[in-house]
Amino acid sequence: LAKTTQPISMDSYEGQEVNITCSHNNIATNDYITWYQQFPSQGPRFIIQGYKTKVTNEVASLFIPADRKSSTLSLPRVSLSDTAVYYCLVIIRMDSSYKLIFGSGTRLLVRP
Amino acid sequence: DADVTQTPRNRITKTGKRIMLECSQTKGHDRMYWYRQDPGLGLRLIYYSFDVKDINKGEISDGYSVSRQAQAKFSLSLESAIPNQTALYFCATSDPKLAIAQYFGPGTRLTVL
Repeated sequence: LAKTTQPISMDSYEGQEVNITCSHNNIATNDYITWYQQFPSQGPRFIIQGYKTKVTNEVASLFIPADRKSSTLSLPRVSLSDTAVYYCLVIIRMDSSYKLIFGSGTRLLVRP
Repeated sequence: DADVTQTPRNRITKTGKRIMLECSQTKGHDRMYWYRQDPGLGLRLIYYSFDVKDINKGEISDGYSVSRQAQAKFSLSLESAIPNQTALYFCATSDPKLAIAQYFGPGTRLTVL
């Protein structure tokens, strides 16, 4: 049974690179990994998705090693406004259905 | 995401009452989802629907039911609310033709006394 695990919290300073890792065992080759950002009193906001190697967009990068047992969200040069909770979501295809498994979230605090 | 709206935004009710939470979207997506969020537990999937005729149970469907009235509307019902259903409820949509990304509504805070 797949499960995702994230660190509960992380601290950083403005301008630093932040890497948040999500561990996810028992996922198949084509199962997707996605990351979301959530501010208080708001719904989660999609950041990035991937299923292998490295993906980069205008706000983040996602690294997935060959064994796919983890993934790392990388936020370059964080600012105070990046203070939020970050969730990984694994989307697992099962025959004719899907299983969506959210991590419990990593609370990132960016300090000046 | 303003293209996904939820009503009501806040609701306080009593044990045993029937409650309906509504979700509407203007994104034209086929897929819609209902999640609940509890402190420290992240988000858990209640139900999802890949089109109007498709309804699937998620991780925690007991005590809940859903209705997909149209492509744009997906309602969540609590037939007989109980206190441990107090939570933040989110609706989301996705379009498999474009991406796996889900777009979330602003949430409904439900309190069951």
